[in-house]
Amino acid sequence: AQSVTQLGSHVSVSEGALVLLRCNYSSSVPPYLFWYVQYPNQGLQLLLKYTTGATLVKGINGFEAEFKKSETSFHLTKPSAHMSDAAEYFCAVRAGSSASKIIFGSGTRLSIRP
Amino acid sequence: NAGVTQTPKFQVLKTGQSMTLQCAQDMNHNSMYWYRQDPGMGLRLIYYSASEGTTDKGEVPNGYNVSRLNKREFSLRLESAAPSQTSVYFCASSTGQGILTDTQYFGPGTRLTVL
Repeated sequence: AQSVTQLGSHVSVSEGALVLLRCNYSSSVPPYLFWYVQYPNQGLQLLLKYTTGATLVKGINGFEAEFKKSETSFHLTKPSAHMSDAAEYFCAVRAGSSASKIIFGSGTRLSIRP
Repeated sequence: NAGVTQTPKFQVLKTGQSMTLQCAQDMNHNSMYWYRQDPGMGLRLIYYSASEGTTDKGEVPNGYNVSRLNKREFSLRLESAAPSQTSVYFCASSTGQGILTDTQYFGPGTRLTVL
């Protein structure tokens, strides 16, 4: 069975500081991993995804994530936070190589301090 | 393109009332999904439709029914609403083809309160 754990329900950083949102997964098959962002009162938007190949994945808005199999992690980073990055971020894993279902983590709310 | 649209945006029901949440996509996607989002629990899959004419249960299907009306539309029905169904409901769609390229696109959500 697949599962996702996001460490920290709320993260607060200063504008210009490094953003690090943590995600660990459990999967009995090779995982397909995703990060989604949700801005207030909006639906989810795909930030980036890992399927196969390069373990460092670049996404939109300057975000990137690194798949580390040995640590079962897929942490999301951005070198310099911007006020517009304030949102909720969800890590997710596809439930099986041929399934269309995705298992979402509980989310991490990112706040940016001026 | 409008992408994924949902109606209504907000709804308040009394316990026992019924209602249908509507979802439509204009991206010619094969697969459609209904999720509910509750604080601290992320999104949980209620039902999904891998292709027109098929529907399958997700993680939390109890108390809900769905209809894949055609390729564009996928509705979610609450026959007898309960306070535990107070949530934000999201519809999503994807091509359903090619595990490496399939991406789900989400609608703006319906905020439902059951009193």
